[in-house]
Amino acid sequence: DGGITQSPKYLFRKEGQNVTLSCEQNLNHDAMYWYRQDPGQGLRLIYYSQIVNDFQKGDIAEGYSVSREKKESFPLTVTSAQKNPTAFYLCASRTGGDEQYFGPGTRLTVT
Amino acid sequence: GESVGLHLPTLSVQEGDNSIINCAYSNSASDYFIWYKQESGKGPQFIIDIRSNMDKRQGQRVTVLLNKTVKHLSLQIAATQPGDSAVYFCAEKVASGTYKYIFGTGTRLKVLA
Repeated sequence: DGGITQSPKYLFRKEGQNVTLSCEQNLNHDAMYWYRQDPGQGLRLIYYSQIVNDFQKGDIAEGYSVSREKKESFPLTVTSAQKNPTAFYLCASRTGGDEQYFGPGTRLTVT
Repeated sequence: GESVGLHLPTLSVQEGDNSIINCAYSNSASDYFIWYKQESGKGPQFIIDIRSNMDKRQGQRVTVLLNKTVKHLSLQIAATQPGDSAVYFCAEKVASGTYKYIFGTGTRLKVLA
């Protein structure tokens, strides 16, 4: 069963703690993306990776970090430097063409 | 639950009627467009796509129309069903080597029984 998985579905953290969100895909896609979704706004790009061991900052990368050590995995760390981390985080991967598919998302709440 | 749909424009349609959801895109150089459906608390689901060298594409119960002159995209859903209730948004791919996408804020579709 192919697809993109994100875990956990809900995550709660105290302010000042770093937290890592998991994203795994078995679609054999080279490119992977992390977005943030806030109420009333379009998705905003945090980081993307077009190939293993390479990634680029998106529009709102401050306070986030990523790694891409394996083709299947693109974890996102939300650091304590991110001023407003509570949001719905979406991971996506892209086919060799242009189609982009999303995972189920992780809702992070920081208090 | 997921609050991404707050303050979005809402389209209410009767079950069985056709729905038309509109999107104005921003970049005249964009060459590829996707429509997504997002249910509350879930990730966006790919519905249909279209390239800029086309002006219409049909899928199962859905049709996407592209008007490059006015930078407008629409999604038509035929015989709308209760399961179609969701937030729908468009995405445009910026025509560059970076494969970045720009996303609309979305429209909430409510299907009335």
